[in-house]
Amino acid sequence: AAGVIQSPRHLIKEKRETATLKCYPIPRHDTVYWYQQGPGQDPQFLISFYEKMQSDKGSIPDRFSAQQFSDYHSELNMSSLELGDSALYFCASSADGQGGDGYTFGSGTRLTVV
Amino acid sequence: QQQVKQSPQSLIVQKGGISIINCAYENTAFDYFPWYQQFPGKGPALLIAIRPDVSEKKEGRFTISFNKSAKQFSLHIMDSQPGDSATYFCAAIHRGSARQLTFGSGTQLTVLP
Repeated sequence: AAGVIQSPRHLIKEKRETATLKCYPIPRHDTVYWYQQGPGQDPQFLISFYEKMQSDKGSIPDRFSAQQFSDYHSELNMSSLELGDSALYFCASSADGQGGDGYTFGSGTRLTVV
Repeated sequence: QQQVKQSPQSLIVQKGGISIINCAYENTAFDYFPWYQQFPGKGPALLIAIRPDVSEKKEGRFTISFNKSAKQFSLHIMDSQPGDSATYFCAAIHRGSARQLTFGSGTQLTVLP
């Protein structure tokens, strides 16, 4: 079965650089969620989109922005990277903004800022 | 401030034993409580979930017990196996929200062979 695809799997950037993470949801899933998981930490909600519109916002820094495109894939853009941005970034998708049972996570992008 | 408190932080059990992980919450607007299993380098995977109108749910070796009045819920893993060794997160979803997850702090489970 198709899963949530995230790219790239690994990314190394220097401080103050910019990074773009991509997420391709499960076909027919119209909702995308982004989470950030620091080392040894629980995932923290960043932002979500439903039908290409932002549906909720969590602890996302102003340096980050995201959008969902017409094909429902989403991109998380991160600028002026800081060492503390090093983390695993997960995308999850669901149908009809329902979350819960329909929530499927991707394998994540590991971002390392040096 | 952690909205969903999880304990213990780490747990070691023998193969065949019972693993018990506990979570507590304060916000009564939470209306869905899933448990996720995460292996290193992988995304969280839904294990089992419960709604507050049910006191217990069992799926195979995994059981959720839910105490609405105490605002607590727990995961029991029966006949624990070495392959169950992973990090387990309880989570909650807020009624009326965009259905984003609020996670507990996680429990690192090690099942010894």
